[in-house]
Amino acid sequence: TQLLEQSPQFLSIQEGENLTVYCNSSSVFSSLQWYRQEPGEGPVLLVTVVTGGEVKKLKRLTFQFGDARKDSSLHITAAQPGDTGLYLCAGETEYNNNDMRFGAGTRLTVKP
Amino acid sequence: DTGVSQNPRHKITKRGQNVTFRCDPISEHNRLYWYRQTLGQGPEFLTYFQNEAQLEKSRLLSDRFSAERPKGSFSTLEIQRTEQGDSAMYLCASSEEGFGSEAFFGQGTRLTVV
Repeated sequence: TQLLEQSPQFLSIQEGENLTVYCNSSSVFSSLQWYRQEPGEGPVLLVTVVTGGEVKKLKRLTFQFGDARKDSSLHITAAQPGDTGLYLCAGETEYNNNDMRFGAGTRLTVKP
Repeated sequence: DTGVSQNPRHKITKRGQNVTFRCDPISEHNRLYWYRQTLGQGPEFLTYFQNEAQLEKSRLLSDRFSAERPKGSFSTLEIQRTEQGDSAMYLCASSEEGFGSEAFFGQGTRLTVV
């Protein structure tokens, strides 16, 4: 069983559309991060959230950490083909010695 | 410092052979992680070091897998008696101490067991 469940698993949309992907868990996280990974490369950090209810914006990306620090969402406004990639959430929990665990990811394809 | 470095980038081995991968983290980072990733999946946690101490090891990791970080700098991951199911991308990441620290990933070692 994955510690972090991501949904949807796959998402294919047209350029200009908005989308939201989700990361959920039954565990409380001391921090949660979102990464983007392109084929053949390692994941690259987009954002870190640490406070329940926190909202962070990065250009067209909006990240939210749930009040209970068990879930997070990533919203992309006016998606572009360059947003295509695997979006991964990763969290640290005190129950795992604060190591970092990843969800299975959402594979996003933005068609021109 | 050019980031996290992994060697080799690709490894093809016959079933039953032993393989060893190396990871050189960013020099001031005391946390080091090993993950395994198969096509279309997120990185699967294997093990985690804080300096030279191995703090966590996945229950999914069989006895054939062992990792070391003898001086708290570079790390090695050895797989003994490889099986076809071991074929995957093996990713190493390092970070500073403290929760929420960004993990920097290497480009991985792609293992193919034939």
